Amino acid sequence: KAGVTQTPRYLIKTRGQQVTLSCSPISGHRSVSWYQQTPGQGLQFLFEYFSETQRNKGNFPGRFSGRQFSNSRSEMNVSTLELGDSALYLCASSQTPGAFGYTFGSGTRLTVV
Amino acid sequence: KNEVEQSPQNLTAQEGEFITINCSYSVGISALHWLQQHPGGGIVSLFMLSSGKKKHGRLIATINIQEKHSSLHITASHPRDSAVYICAVNPDNDMRFGAGTRLTVKP
Repeated sequence: KAGVTQTPRYLIKTRGQQVTLSCSPISGHRSVSWYQQTPGQGLQFLFEYFSETQRNKGNFPGRFSGRQFSNSRSEMNVSTLELGDSALYLCASSQTPGAFGYTFGSGTRLTVV
Repeated sequence: KNEVEQSPQNLTAQEGEFITINCSYSVGISALHWLQQHPGGGIVSLFMLSSGKKKHGRLIATINIQEKHSSLHITASHPRDSAVYICAVNPDNDMRFGAGTRLTVKP
């Protein structure tokens, strides 16, 4: 069965712009979580969605937001991009929230210039 | 102090060696994950542990909940095991990550 699909794989944006990243979970998985990975901070949890509702949110500013659709696909949005937002953004899906065996996508590498 | 500490940060081994990566955490958790990240970024979940020991092929993971410590062992290491290994824990319905251990296995 298809894995977790993230699009696009690579993205270059200018400071001040906004960006939307997409994550399609494994079929049947209803929970999607998002993570940011940078060389300085490592992996950090952004938020988790289950059944179109945000269940948990990490310690990120309000410029980072997300949503989940009825088909479990999820998007995350970053507004007013800053240079420090350059990172690999990963999503993972699971059948239930907080469930074990998260399956990760390949990530979207965002570069802000 | 980070909530999840891994050691060592970097590890170089010769093919065939037995490898151990350690993870200590300071928060209450219900489970711990070991993840593998290859160059290019893709992450694979290797194990989820809530107690005891799990084995998959040449990989073995153990956890001691009382001591808040887990180890990942690789037997008969191979160059294809070269990757970053990341320990992650699940407190409060989010995930906290260690900084990772970069493993290089030389032929």
